[in-house]
Amino acid sequence: NAGVMQNPRHLVRRRGQEARLRCSPMKGHSHVYWYRQLPEEGLKFMVYLQKENIIDESGMPKERFSAEFPKEGPSILRIQQVVRGDSAAYFCASSPQTDTDTQYFGPGTRLTVL
Amino acid sequence: ELKVEQNPLFLSMQEGKNYTIYCNYSTTSDRLYWYRQDPGKSLESLFVLLSNGAVKQEGRLMASLDTKARLSTLHITAAVHDLSATYFCAVAPSISGTYKYIFGTGTRLKVLA
Repeated sequence: NAGVMQNPRHLVRRRGQEARLRCSPMKGHSHVYWYRQLPEEGLKFMVYLQKENIIDESGMPKERFSAEFPKEGPSILRIQQVVRGDSAAYFCASSPQTDTDTQYFGPGTRLTVL
Repeated sequence: ELKVEQNPLFLSMQEGKNYTIYCNYSTTSDRLYWYRQDPGKSLESLFVLLSNGAVKQEGRLMASLDTKARLSTLHITAAVHDLSATYFCAVAPSISGTYKYIFGTGTRLKVLA
């Protein structure tokens, strides 16, 4: 059973560009979570999604950030008009049927904004 | 504000020695997790602790939970170089979304040969 897949693993963008991060959950998992890890810090919750629904986006910045988990295909975290402060590692996690199950994390996407 | 604090933040220890990493949290919680992260890699789930007094062991690592003190410990016995990594505890709060794991800042462990 393949684990949580994320791509790209590394992404470099210039200020003002868009970043798209993709996450494919583990097989059979229908709950997806995105976290951000700033250098030398722990992970911070951003958003929780189920297929075609955003359940909780309370950790998402109000502007420039959006997330989706379509019926088909991976979950996407989109950052518009990136700024240097967006440089971080973005981790996706997934869990099986209920939101109380252990979350399994992907390898992360390391975003660098020049 | 919900907080999870780990200490120490950095730990350098000799092979064969024992040490404990502490995780204090400020909210009631149903579950506490310990994860391991190698540089540039993802988080690997080590332990899930579900109740007061829970103790779990895997190899040289043992985790325990005291919900009354809101404290978890990760004890390392006879450390080996392969244990070098960053260790995070994460709390699933009982309120405001049990899926919103709150992570500590991590303990960067380096085991010296």
